[in-house]
Amino acid sequence: KAGVTQTPRYLIKTRGQQVTLSCSPISGHRSVSWYQQTPGQGLQFLFEYFSETQRNKGNFPGRFSGRQFSNSRSEMNVSTLELGDSALYLCASRPGTSGGLQETQYFGPGTRLLVL
Amino acid sequence: AQSVTQLGSHVSVSEGALVLLRCNYSSSVPPYLFWYVQYPNQGLQLLLKYTSAATLVKGINGFEAEFKKSETSFHLTKPSAHMSDAAEYFCAVSERRSSASKIIFGSGTRLSIRP
Repeated sequence: KAGVTQTPRYLIKTRGQQVTLSCSPISGHRSVSWYQQTPGQGLQFLFEYFSETQRNKGNFPGRFSGRQFSNSRSEMNVSTLELGDSALYLCASRPGTSGGLQETQYFGPGTRLLVL
Repeated sequence: AQSVTQLGSHVSVSEGALVLLRCNYSSSVPPYLFWYVQYPNQGLQLLLKYTSAATLVKGINGFEAEFKKSETSFHLTKPSAHMSDAAEYFCAVSERRSSASKIIFGSGTRLSIRP
């Protein structure tokens, strides 16, 4: 089975712009979660989508949003970019059918976003 | 609220020596616990997880961790370090609920291996 894929792998934007990141989960996985990783704040949970619905969200401003499509692919959008949004954005997928996080969560390689 | 604390942001051991990475958790109820590894420019890979009654958990690449409720610890060990073990390691915790979806990560420990 192919793993979790994220596109693009690297991105450079300027302040005030918006960006959309994409994540394709492992085939058959219906849960997709997003995490932000920065040197200062570490790994922080952004949100989880399951069957096209946001099921849980972390403590991030409304500039961070996401969606999930019927094929379970997910996109994350950040509007009005700030310098502090520079980070590695990781996507993770799991079946999502039962057991909560007893299910193994598989991470993609991430998208590295640099905001200038 | 749940949290994890990793003691030591950087650990250096000689090749062939014991690896011990420390993790303490805080949770009002028994949680799920995880160790992940991250190699440079890569995502996270699950090493092992504690989700059931077995307190000694064996993972991939020769790593294991022991859940000690009395000490609220979940330290990661490997008897003999290999150069390929050099990476960043994250301890993490989540709620033991079927609807839980958020993993809370520690700040990470960078493991260096000396030849």
